[in-house]
Amino acid sequence: EVLLVESGGGLVQPGRSLRLSCTASGFTFGDFAMTWFRQAPGKGLEWVASIRSKGYDGATEYAASVKGRFTISRDDSKSIAYLQLNSLKTEDAAVYYCTRGRSGSPSVHWGQGTLVTVSS
Amino acid sequence: DIVMTQSPDSLPVSLGERATIYCKSSQSVLYSSNNKNYLAWYRQKPGQPPKLLLYWASTRESGVPDRFNGSGSGTDFTLTISSLQAEDVAVYFCQQYYSSPCSFGQGTKLEIK
Repeated sequence: EVLLVESGGGLVQPGRSLRLSCTASGFTFGDFAMTWFRQAPGKGLEWVASIRSKGYDGATEYAASVKGRFTISRDDSKSIAYLQLNSLKTEDAAVYYCTRGRSGSPSVHWGQGTLVTVSS
Repeated sequence: DIVMTQSPDSLPVSLGERATIYCKSSQSVLYSSNNKNYLAWYRQKPGQPPKLLLYWASTRESGVPDRFNGSGSGTDFTLTISSLQAEDVAVYFCQQYYSSPCSFGQGTKLEIK
């Protein structure tokens, strides 16, 4: 069974940083792209970032709203995908979900999400 | 970027009745080389992540009941729930994965009348 567990969320002040983790199990992590989405409270879904598998050059892509501030990475030896959130803004507050697969495909497997609150 | 617009925002339906949700994309999501519409539908219950219901506009994900049906092509799509069950109360989203960035509709809240 595919399982994705996000962690690392919490309350942070504007301008500070946070690192989210997505720990995967139930599949060969290194064979798959990974993607992060977010959902602000009571709002819709927004794609944030994706990282390809190393077999497909490990390329990364980002939403315009986070490019230059967020960094997606992966540690295939630990089956973990990371999302480093820097220079956080109040509008970054959301539940962050990780999914298996790239942004150009429908997302079957989702984690339960981790809540990021940005407030002074 | 492709903008996805759903209607209505809220939909009250009686149990056992049909529910129909619409989704319109700002540009076609039909890929001519394979004749596939890069359109998915999700259901999201409170406090849970989205669950994939349909992809390629009309293909049900494994385990999804056959009361969920998708149709449409190009820019206009429909999700139909043939006979509403209590467990279908949720927010429904359409998503285009035709071009990056993928994008979602704003959601339709389905509730019991």
